[in-house]
Amino acid sequence: GAGVSQSPSNKVTEKGKDVELRCDPISGHTALYWYRQSLGQGLEFLIYFQGNSAPDKSGLPSDRFSAERTGGSVSTLTIQRTQQEDSAVYLCASGEALTSHTQYFGPGTRLTVL
Amino acid sequence: AQSVTQPDIHITVSEGASLELRCNYSYGATPYLFWYVQSPGQGLQLLLKYFSGDTLVQGIKGFEAEFKRSQSSFNLRKPSVHWSDAAEYFCAVGGSGGANNLFFGTGTRLTVIP
Repeated sequence: GAGVSQSPSNKVTEKGKDVELRCDPISGHTALYWYRQSLGQGLEFLIYFQGNSAPDKSGLPSDRFSAERTGGSVSTLTIQRTQQEDSAVYLCASGEALTSHTQYFGPGTRLTVL
Repeated sequence: AQSVTQPDIHITVSEGASLELRCNYSYGATPYLFWYVQSPGQGLQLLLKYFSGDTLVQGIKGFEAEFKRSQSSFNLRKPSVHWSDAAEYFCAVGGSGGANNLFFGTGTRLTVIP
């Protein structure tokens, strides 16, 4: 079956602009996660959605970052007023969480802020 | 606090040689442990996972890992490395509490020489 997909695969933007990154999880997966992978770093947790529950936003680095998940499926990560330190690969993962704890990752969106 | 340490940033092995990648974790509850592999420009692919039971787990591509609670380790092994194994390897820990997000190590980059 189809895996997790993300778009765009690459995004170049200018400092101060807003960007939106999209994630399509695996059909039927109730859990959705966003992570950030900076150069030479491991993955940093950003936000977690589980079903219709309120999202866990504890990993968001600043109030410029937000995410939503519409209809329990597609998710959008929005970064407002981008800064150069936001440059990274943003990875989305989905899973069955409560039953599996296994996360399946998309290919990521590489964001470059000039 | 939860954390994962991968002490080897970069490992080089000859094709056909054996491989062991180290992973140590710190986790307050019963850990769920994972190894993921990331090829250049790709997302993370799950190699194997440990939740409970037999402490030696088998994964895809001929990889295995052994959970040693007394050493807080979950080292990844492969008896004979192939050139296609060259990639970045990430160890991760999660668990039954909180948001189920994973905590990742900073990765080990594997180079395979012919």
